[in-house]
Amino acid sequence: QKEVEQDPGPLSVPEGAIVSLNCTYSNSAFQYFMWYRQYSRKGPELLMYTYSSGNKEDGRFTAQVDKSSKYISLFIRDSQPSDSATYLCAMSAWEETSGSRLTFGEGTQLTVNP
Amino acid sequence: KAGVTQTPRYLIKTRGQQVTLSCSPISGHRSVSWYQQTPGQGLQFLFEYFSETQRNKGNFPGRFSGRQFSNSRSEMNVSTLELGDSALYLCASSHYITSGGFGSYNEQFFGPGTRLTVL
Repeated sequence: QKEVEQDPGPLSVPEGAIVSLNCTYSNSAFQYFMWYRQYSRKGPELLMYTYSSGNKEDGRFTAQVDKSSKYISLFIRDSQPSDSATYLCAMSAWEETSGSRLTFGEGTQLTVNP
Repeated sequence: KAGVTQTPRYLIKTRGQQVTLSCSPISGHRSVSWYQQTPGQGLQFLFEYFSETQRNKGNFPGRFSGRQFSNSRSEMNVSTLELGDSALYLCASSHYITSGGFGSYNEQFFGPGTRLTVL
């Protein structure tokens, strides 16, 4: 079983829709939770970062972390065609001997249709 | 500020050959991590280098190796290539952090990747 599970989609929505992306994880040591966006032929870029549990909002994007359920979500409001990309959840835990490294979900491919 | 650069962007090799990929981090970043991205497995951590030392290693065979130079530039090498090594290889750079806790997350900045095809 993978440490981080993410539905790969693909997900297709009309412009203006609310998009919900989710990941579940099994490693309770994870403290840092990230969402990356990756456009075709590009490297991932950080969208949102949350430490421990809670919500974080940035414009049209909201990230939620529920550590008790080992579940994280990314909501995109008023989705735009420019949001069409692959969205990757990522997590990490700090370890004294080895620092931190990112564990990624498989990524969800999102298409927003005009 | 220039981003992370990776060379070459595309590479075609045959089974049994070896390959070397290069990564130049963002100026001032001293930590470099490498990831393999494939459709079925997603992004998987290969290794991380800081100050010319491997600090962390993922679950990949010994055919995958890397190194870091004094200017923080990094290379990864794959020997005896297999068909399953076909992937996008991503490099990420970040500042080095010395402890965990709130505010200690170090954002990793990714390069565009090197697309390796093994025939």
